[in-house]
Amino acid sequence: GAVVSQHPSWVICKSGTSVKIECRSLDFQATTMFWYRQFPKQSLMLMATSNEGSKATYEQGVEKDKFLINHASLTLSTLTVTSAHPEDSSFYICSARAEGSGGTDTQYFGPGTRLTVL
Amino acid sequence: QKEVEQDPGPLSVPEGAIVSLNCTYSNSAFQYFMWYRQYSRKGPELLMYTYSSGNKEDGRFTAQVDKSSKYISLFIRDSQPSDSATYLCAMTGFGYQGGKLIFGQGTELSVKP
Repeated sequence: GAVVSQHPSWVICKSGTSVKIECRSLDFQATTMFWYRQFPKQSLMLMATSNEGSKATYEQGVEKDKFLINHASLTLSTLTVTSAHPEDSSFYICSARAEGSGGTDTQYFGPGTRLTVL
Repeated sequence: QKEVEQDPGPLSVPEGAIVSLNCTYSNSAFQYFMWYRQYSRKGPELLMYTYSSGNKEDGRFTAQVDKSSKYISLFIRDSQPSDSATYLCAMTGFGYQGGKLIFGQGTELSVKP
């Protein structure tokens, strides 16, 4: 199957700093990528949909000025957590949509990035 | 009420047991139903998907969807310790995973040798 990578896999930062997380589709092009957030023992919550060459679409309650998303190419989307605070500590997971025939698009998930804000 | 409800467990079974995992949902627009397996500190891995109602079997795994009851299930036969993980159901209303996925909370499964 298709492979999606994330970098870094784990990051610790001080409160008030910004952190950038990269999501790459390694062997396919993805016009659409999704960013999720997952708290311990909880489900994945969609934060935003990232479309190549256009602005991201954010879910209700997600601050777009705090979670900046850039989808500059068909294989790369980045999520920047600006002015991070301890409550932003979480597991961030991206997925990339691979287009298929007959409406059989498939989302492939990255391995996740664990963010700890001190 | 959440759109998708899933018993978080944890569920502990002996090796070789049959495992039943379930989700209920409230949105009748959901058409595509998926089961993901997630190991600790890893991203989800797609196990099974089903379109509309019916059954689908893949090796030791069987997925069932009953749209009339808004209820989906994943059965694992001859469970193995390597099956120990969190299992997430997910569903969407269109485009087989291409659209917005709504996830259940996940059920933590432990298979004891």
